[in-house]
Amino acid sequence: QVQLKESGPGLVQPSETLSLTCTVSGFSLTSYSVSWVRQPSGKGPEWMGRMWYDGDTAYNSALKSRLSISRDTSKNQVFLKMNSLQTDDTGTYYCTRDRPTRPLAYWGQGTLVTVSS
Amino acid sequence: DIQMTQSPSFLSASVGDRVTLSCKASQNINKYLAWYQQKLGEAPKLLIYNANSLQTGIPSRFSGSGSGTDFTLTISSLQPEDVATYFCLQHNSWLTFGSGTKLEIK
Repeated sequence: QVQLKESGPGLVQPSETLSLTCTVSGFSLTSYSVSWVRQPSGKGPEWMGRMWYDGDTAYNSALKSRLSISRDTSKNQVFLKMNSLQTDDTGTYYCTRDRPTRPLAYWGQGTLVTVSS
Repeated sequence: DIQMTQSPSFLSASVGDRVTLSCKASQNINKYLAWYQQKLGEAPKLLIYNANSLQTGIPSRFSGSGSGTDFTLTISSLQPEDVATYFCLQHNSWLTFGSGTKLEIK
């Protein structure tokens, strides 16, 4: 069964770098893409970027200068790094299984990230 | 970038009502529109993709229609468990979400 689980620090200092890990099971990272989506409390979700099944990456233009997505297929993990965090980066961060014709069909439980000193 | 506008922002309806939610794209997205249901404290759940394709396991009272710039999600007979916020997502050019419609029971 398809599962995704996010992990990482719940609290990040302003101007610091966020590092999150998505561990997947039930599918191969070389067959399916994984996207990161974030959602501020009480607001709509925002697509951040994608690790394609072939190892290529794509980023939301608004975040591209701060964001990096990578993977370790041997560990079934996808990584997100985003630098220069500010308070408006606070929210729940999700990893999702993604296909062009059936987008974001499976979601992790999400991890709350708070940017505060 | 493509912008997605949902209406209304808030909707209150009675159990058994037929409910219609709207989503408009700022430019042509063909059929590449998905709908998600998000209950309080949970991750969004995919209901509809490619405008009118029902995701596996989703009740048939949910249906989607539209193409180009105008899309609709219809719940044919509202149930208490349908209380949630509904988001649309365009997947024609990267991915952009709408701001959501919060649905409550009257």
